Order: sequence, then structure tokens, then C-alpha cells
Amino acid sequence: AQSVTQLDSQVPVFEEAPVELRCNYSSSVSVYLFWYVQYPNQGLQLLLKYLSGSTLVKGINGFEAEFNKSQTSFHLRKPSVHISDTAEYFCAAPWLEGGSQGNLIFGKGTKLSVKP
Amino acid sequence: KAGVTQTPRYLIKTRGQQVTLSCSPISGHRSVSWYQQTPGQGLQFLFEYFSETQRNKGNFPGRFSGRQFSNSRSEMNVSTLELGDSALYLCASRDRGRLAGETDTQYFGPGTRLTVL
Repeated sequence: AQSVTQLDSQVPVFEEAPVELRCNYSSSVSVYLFWYVQYPNQGLQLLLKYLSGSTLVKGINGFEAEFNKSQTSFHLRKPSVHISDTAEYFCAAPWLEGGSQGNLIFGKGTKLSVKP
Repeated sequence: KAGVTQTPRYLIKTRGQQVTLSCSPISGHRSVSWYQQTPGQGLQFLFEYFSETQRNKGNFPGRFSGRQFSNSRSEMNVSTLELGDSALYLCASRDRGRLAGETDTQYFGPGTRLTVL
């Protein structure tokens, strides 16, 4: 079955520390991968996406992610987090079953909590 | 361009009632997808409308339905509400210029939070 797995449901970190949010995908999903962020009481905002080419993808707000085909991973990183990065982060991939054509299957989300 | 808008932002209904949610996509976008977000199940795809036709459907009962108008605005309807339908309902729009849209970015609205009592 297709799946996108986020290994950590919550990640607490201190301000200015580095952070890595982990995402693994099943080999049966599309290799187009996305990271979205959801701030409290808001919808989802695209952080970055991997479509092809360089395996290191840079996104907004200083985030980057590395696509690793051999490990079926697409981990999100930021070298120094700010209080304002406190949010829930979702890894997603296009759902391939039933001719979905681009509709997304999401991981369960990782709540990033940045402490002063 | 204005982003995706959803109305209303909050709704409270009782079991057995029905509800209609509205979504206006980004200007020029022809595809609207709906997702349900709950603490237990996370984000799940409901259905997609493109050019006024339902193109894809997730694994939800027939109580969940939708439609799309000629201006690409979409409505989602849930009949005979159950407590488990309490959720944040998100709609997303994309251009869908290509037939297969796996590389398209979906742009999400702020959601409608439905509470069923």
C-alpha cells in the first residue's frame, strides 16, 4: 500500500538549534514529494517540493530537504530555527491509485515546537 | 492573485443535519480538491472536481458529495452528519494544465472547521 510516514509526531527544539523532520515514503508512491507547513488555525502552505534533478531542494523560510532514493526518505532540515517556525509540518506525495492524478497522500504530521 | 477562500470558517451542526461548505479557487485554477483533516486520521483526500466533473474520489461514504460550477467555485455537502464528521475541511486548487498533474502544486485555503454535536 502507498504510504508516507513521518517518524516523529512531536519535535521540541530550542531556538537557534538545528532541526531535522523525518519523512519516509513507500516505493509504490510517486517520487514527486512535497513538504507543507500548517500554522495554527490556518491552511497548508507549500514549503518545498522535489520533482527531479538535484536531490537537495531549497524552500521558503530557510528550509531544505534531501531526496534519498535508496533510503526512500525526504527529510526536512533547517540549520537554525526561530520561534516563528512553531507549526505542524506535513510530508506528502501524489496518490497513484485509482488514477488520482496528483491528489495527495499525507504523512500524519510532525509538530515542531521551538522553545526560547 | 487572491488565494483560495473558504466559507464559512466555522460551523456548528447537530447529528442528522446536513451542511454545505464553499470554496473559491485561485483565479484561473480549474481543479478543486477537498481534504478532511482530523486528529485521528490526519489529512485524507475526499474528491477532486475539474471542469465541473468529479475526476477522483477518496474512500469516503456517499454522504459526502460535491459539485463545481462553471466559474470553478466548488461546494461540498455532507448529509446526515455524524459526530465523526467533526473535522477541518480543506480545499485546494491547482491549474491542472496537464492531464496528469502529479507535479502540480496544490494551494490550500484556510479551511472550514465543522463541529458536529
